[in-house]
Amino acid sequence: DVKVTQSSRYLVKRTGEKVFLECVQDMDHENMFWYRQDPGLGLRLIYFSYDVKMKEKGDIPEGYSVSREKKERFSLILESASTNQTSMYLCASFFPGSTGELFFGEGSRLTVL
Amino acid sequence: AQSVTQLGSHVSVSEGALVLLRCNYSSSVPPYLFWYVQYPNQGLQLLLKYTTGATLVKGINGFEAEFKKSETSFHLTKPSAHMSDAAEYFCAVSENNFNKFYFGSGTKLNVKP
Repeated sequence: DVKVTQSSRYLVKRTGEKVFLECVQDMDHENMFWYRQDPGLGLRLIYFSYDVKMKEKGDIPEGYSVSREKKERFSLILESASTNQTSMYLCASFFPGSTGELFFGEGSRLTVL
Repeated sequence: AQSVTQLGSHVSVSEGALVLLRCNYSSSVPPYLFWYVQYPNQGLQLLLKYTTGATLVKGINGFEAEFKKSETSFHLTKPSAHMSDAAEYFCAVSENNFNKFYFGSGTKLNVKP
């Protein structure tokens, strides 16, 4: 079975802390994505990556960075967390040769105090 | 950029009644269209997708959707709601390269006994 694993389901951090959200997929997918989910706003794309060490900004990259050192792992980094980054973060992966199904992790709910 | 509009952030139906969740998109090129479902505290999973071919698409759990190009719509239906259908539903669009997926704001479906 396809699996996308997000290492932390729930995190509580303080303003100004550095936060790492880890995502690992076991499907050898090339494309990986980080979304932010907020009520009434749906999913908004933060960053995506289509290869190791490659990254592209999504629609709301401000305040975030990413790292993809290995194909299976895509990390989202909040250099200095702020309260407006309290949200649900969803990682997804995708194989370009397929017909478009995104595979999602279970999400990481981050609260910044 | 693409946009996806889901009419109604909350829809409530009685068990056994018809489910209709609306989705309209804006696209200057033929899109790929998806419906995803999210159960509480979980990631998103694919319900159904339209890429090419037949415009009426059948998905899991008895759901189906019809691509209507002239109306730029991809509404999701199910003839008879079940309590287990209570969840949040997201419509999504992607262009040919699948580098970006655009999501609607979501519709929460409540099923009353």
